[in-house]
Amino acid sequence: EAGVAQSPRYKIIEKRQSVAFWCNPISGHATLYWYQQILGQGPKLLIQFQNNGVVDDSQLPKDRFSAERLKGVDSTLKIQPAKLEDSAVYLCASSLEVGAGGYTFGSGTRLTVV
Amino acid sequence: KQEVTQIPAALSVPEGENLVLNCSFTDSAIYNLQWFRQDPGKGLTSLLLIQSSQREQTSGRLNASLDKSSGRSTLYIAASQPGDSATYLCAVRGIGGSNYKLTFGKGTLLTVNP
Repeated sequence: EAGVAQSPRYKIIEKRQSVAFWCNPISGHATLYWYQQILGQGPKLLIQFQNNGVVDDSQLPKDRFSAERLKGVDSTLKIQPAKLEDSAVYLCASSLEVGAGGYTFGSGTRLTVV
Repeated sequence: KQEVTQIPAALSVPEGENLVLNCSFTDSAIYNLQWFRQDPGKGLTSLLLIQSSQREQTSGRLNASLDKSSGRSTLYIAASQPGDSATYLCAVRGIGGSNYKLTFGKGTLLTVNP
């Protein structure tokens, strides 16, 4: 089966600019997650979707971050305006809604804010 | 709130040595536990998935154990090779709704020297 696709792989922007990341999960996976991984840290959940509804966005900085999942498939994560501390790898993952399966992660987007 | 701790933070061993990575978690109400490998600048690769009802899983030279009641898991790597050098992340998946998210430790950086 095809994996989780993410784009772009790398992005460099200046602070206060905006940026968007795209994710295409594994076909049939109802649940999609966006994680932020700062250098030297474990990934931290930003937002969790179940189909196209938000289940958990408690750690999403909503004043600057937004995410949507259209038609319960692809998802985009946007940052506007970006801050220096947003420099991180943004990882998308998907999983089955229920059952014994684990998560599958994409390769991530490395964001550098200068 | 689930917290995951990994010890040690970094480990350097000579090639051929057997080694153990440790993971502990504070809330034993978990759905499963997953060990991931992360190479520099890359996404996460799933190594082993242990369901809450299981005690261990094996894949090649890797063996992961789970003691849910004590909140501990170990990843055993036999006959380590330089290609095993990477960061190893432990993550637990909670139960129900937003708790289905994965909570990660900060990882163990493993270096296997030739």
